[in-house]
Amino acid sequence: EIVLTQSPATLSLSPGERATLSCRASQSINRYLAWYQQRPGQAPRLLIYDASNRATGIPARFSGSGSGTDFTLTISSLEPEDSAVYYCQQRNSWPLAFGQGTRLEIK
Amino acid sequence: QVQLQESGPGLVRPSQTLSLTCSVSGASVSSTSYYWTWIRQPAGKGLEYIGRIYASGSTSYNPSLNSRVRMSLDTSRDQFSLDLSSVTDADTAVYYCAGGSAYTGGNVFDYWGQGTLVTVSS
Repeated sequence: EIVLTQSPATLSLSPGERATLSCRASQSINRYLAWYQQRPGQAPRLLIYDASNRATGIPARFSGSGSGTDFTLTISSLEPEDSAVYYCQQRNSWPLAFGQGTRLEIK
Repeated sequence: QVQLQESGPGLVRPSQTLSLTCSVSGASVSSTSYYWTWIRQPAGKGLEYIGRIYASGSTSYNPSLNSRVRMSLDTSRDQFSLDLSSVTDADTAVYYCAGGSAYTGGNVFDYWGQGTLVTVSS
């Protein structure tokens, strides 16, 4: 079973700054990693799939990279509405699994 | 635009069966373009994949829940359902239904319901 470890647990940044979130897999998952954003009280929203493909309607300031075991979600210029918990999720192996999340706070 | 909406009891007694339904609009549950999934989230915690069902009726369940889970389709109503038996307080969570494109094997979740809180308590 693949375990996804996200870091940092919490990130506190100001509007306009760049955010870098990490997701590490316990074994290679090729490029089969997705990222989701979950704002308080809302369902998760798909941001990125297969490591670097933005989902429909996702702003260009969100980008993903990585392959194998190490992946990164970058938000190039933070806006107040980016305050949320971000989850990574692998689809390389069964059972599908999520990371524990990174909480992004906008100061 | 595909939209999903969960429904079902908010309170279930321990040892009983939790039953939820997801109503789909903007797509048909019998479409081969999508897989239909259940995911849950205990309060303040992360997301747990429960399982999925396809138009053919084939299912795949998380091994951690496999013996207690059953999913089904109601194509006449464009709904799919989750039954989770022998519940304990560890099953208390917000339950989400979700849809994933067949392009990604249904393993990426493009569409989500708003979630429904199910509490297991006597």
